[in-house]
Amino acid sequence: EIVLTQSPGTLSLSPGERATLSCRASQSVSSSYLAWYQQKPGQAPRLLIYGASSRATGIPDRFSGSGSGTDFTLTISRLEPEDFAVYYCQQYGSSPSFGGGTKVEIK
Amino acid sequence: EVQLVQSGAEVKKPGESLKISCKGSGYSFTSYWIGWVRQMPGKGLEWMGIIYPGDSDTRYSPSFQGQVTISADKSISTAYLQWSSLKASDTAMYYCVRRSYYYYMDVWGKGTTVTVSS
Repeated sequence: EIVLTQSPGTLSLSPGERATLSCRASQSVSSSYLAWYQQKPGQAPRLLIYGASSRATGIPDRFSGSGSGTDFTLTISRLEPEDFAVYYCQQYGSSPSFGGGTKVEIK
Repeated sequence: EVQLVQSGAEVKKPGESLKISCKGSGYSFTSYWIGWVRQMPGKGLEWMGIIYPGDSDTRYSPSFQGQVTISADKSISTAYLQWSSLKASDTAMYYCVRRSYYYYMDVWGKGTTVTVSS
């Protein structure tokens, strides 16, 4: 089973700042089967990024994903008030797994 | 509109059985895998398993194998997650998700809260 480790656990930033979230896999993620989800309190997660770098439908271009193999990054170029949430990475190969999440909070 | 509509919140006692549901609409239900994800209170997401309603092929995460049963009734476009004997540690939010043709989870249900308490 592939273990995903997200860092940092919490990111304290101000609106307008850049957020960089990391997701590291215990072994290579095949075919860049890596997705990022956003979850706000009381809501279901929402798909942001798939295939490591492709934005899902309707996702603003301030969200971008990069990486391959075992190291992946989600970048939010300029934080908007609605972006403060918890973010999860997921590898969706044959035995899917999620990272522990990164909370992006208002500083 | 593609939707997954989950059944309502449940409050059960330890030892009781439970079956929660997830009804798909707006797409060909038998052509996409449906997965289940657990989120314990204040915690992260955990992958439980997945079923292909077209032929009921089912795969479980090792952590959940033997603990739950995933099934589907394609005649009514509904997937299920069931327990034969609930424990307090099963208290959580449970989400059903659709796996897209490219394997990422593209549609999520709103979740079903399960509370197990004596």
